[in-house]
Amino acid sequence: EDQVTQSPEALRLQEGESSSLNCSYTVSGLRGLFWYRQDPGKGPEFLFTLYSAGEEKEKERLKATLTKKESFLHITAPKPEDSATYLCAVQAGGETSGSRLTFGEGTQLTVNP
Amino acid sequence: DARVTQTPRHKVTEMGQEVTMRCQPILGHNTVFWYRQTMMQGLELLAYFRNRAPLDDSGMPKDRFSAEMPDATLATLKIQPSEPRDSAVYFCASGLVLGRGRNQPQHFGDGTRLSIL
Repeated sequence: EDQVTQSPEALRLQEGESSSLNCSYTVSGLRGLFWYRQDPGKGPEFLFTLYSAGEEKEKERLKATLTKKESFLHITAPKPEDSATYLCAVQAGGETSGSRLTFGEGTQLTVNP
Repeated sequence: DARVTQTPRHKVTEMGQEVTMRCQPILGHNTVFWYRQTMMQGLELLAYFRNRAPLDDSGMPKDRFSAEMPDATLATLKIQPSEPRDSAVYFCASGLVLGRGRNQPQHFGDGTRLSIL
């Protein structure tokens, strides 16, 4: 069974204080690892897809990296508008998995001004 | 930007009533997903369709939930009869699946917040 564990559950940062969120996964043949951002009352918003170990993607203050067991979302010099819940999801490559995503519980990030 | 549209955004009804949630996927996407999000369980996949055909509904309580795609622009999720434990936010997502190649990401609507009294 595919499993995704995110840590920490919640993170409070001061504006400008860089940090990282962790996503550990167990999956039978990773087809893709996805990061989403979710704001209160909204649906998850796609951020990145990573396909293989060693791959990195960047967008503004966010950088996602991938190893064979985990992914990190690095936030550099965060701003209050980066406050949100960040969700990690994996897609397995098995024939029976289809295109389903298995989500972690999320990390709730709060950036104080 | 193209978006997944869900209606209604909020629904409050009494236990035993039928609830229908609707989703308009992004034009050109061939796969539609229904998820449920609660504080306790997080995001759970209920069912999904490819080219309007149901592929997997193992996440749904079969006795009360049903999902259909009457046409390429509309997906529905029905609960009959509804129960208080069905209270949650229901999300629809759509994506383009390209066979054995790299799949495009799923794009989510803003959900239907359902409260069953």
